Amino acid sequence: QQQVKQSPQSLIVQKGGISIINCAYENTAFDYFPWYQQFPGKGPALLIAIRPDVSEKKEGRFTISFNKSAKQFSLHIMDSQPGDSATYFCAASIRTGANNLFFGTGTRLTVIP
Amino acid sequence: DSGVTQTPKHLITATGQRVTLRCSPRSGDLSVYWYQQSLDQGLQFLIQYYNGEERAKGNILERFSAQQFPDLHSELNLSSLELGDSALYFCASSVGPGGPSQETQYFGPGTRLLVL
Repeated sequence: QQQVKQSPQSLIVQKGGISIINCAYENTAFDYFPWYQQFPGKGPALLIAIRPDVSEKKEGRFTISFNKSAKQFSLHIMDSQPGDSATYFCAASIRTGANNLFFGTGTRLTVIP
Repeated sequence: DSGVTQTPKHLITATGQRVTLRCSPRSGDLSVYWYQQSLDQGLQFLIQYYNGEERAKGNILERFSAQQFPDLHSELNLSSLELGDSALYFCASSVGPGGPSQETQYFGPGTRLLVL
């Protein structure tokens, strides 16, 4: 059973546009929500993360929006660039538990010039 | 570069064989996690070690085992390999086992295993 559901599976955005990827979870014990970026042939790289005590976190062009009551969180990439073309994974963990990450199924983002 | 190293980068072997994947965590990190990435299952947690001790198990098959050594490097042993074991295997490390300020996991470049 997929503990973290991610959509869309793929996304094509024009350069300069906004990319939005959504995730939803069921387990209310999750208390850490990172996003990872993965390029072909590479390992996932931490992009940005949020804890449930805040509703939004911004780092440069990347913003996480978090809705605790809806059990949803999303990644917004502003001013998307061709170099952002990669696969993005949302994840969740229970920090006080095993801390292992439960990943979404990934979104392949393509930014066209 | 995350600071996590994994060897080998690629591994090709036959069904029924046994292989060992190696991981060195970031300097100062005591916790090591192993994940499997396949097309049909996505990224799945296998097992976690913290300071030499097994801390958590995920969807790890009985044919698979791991250990963490006193110098904190870890090895994942895969035996009686099947075609379906072909996947990318990632190691990640974090400062501690979890908890505030210890939860961030940094991933290595992975080992691509192909079972023929």
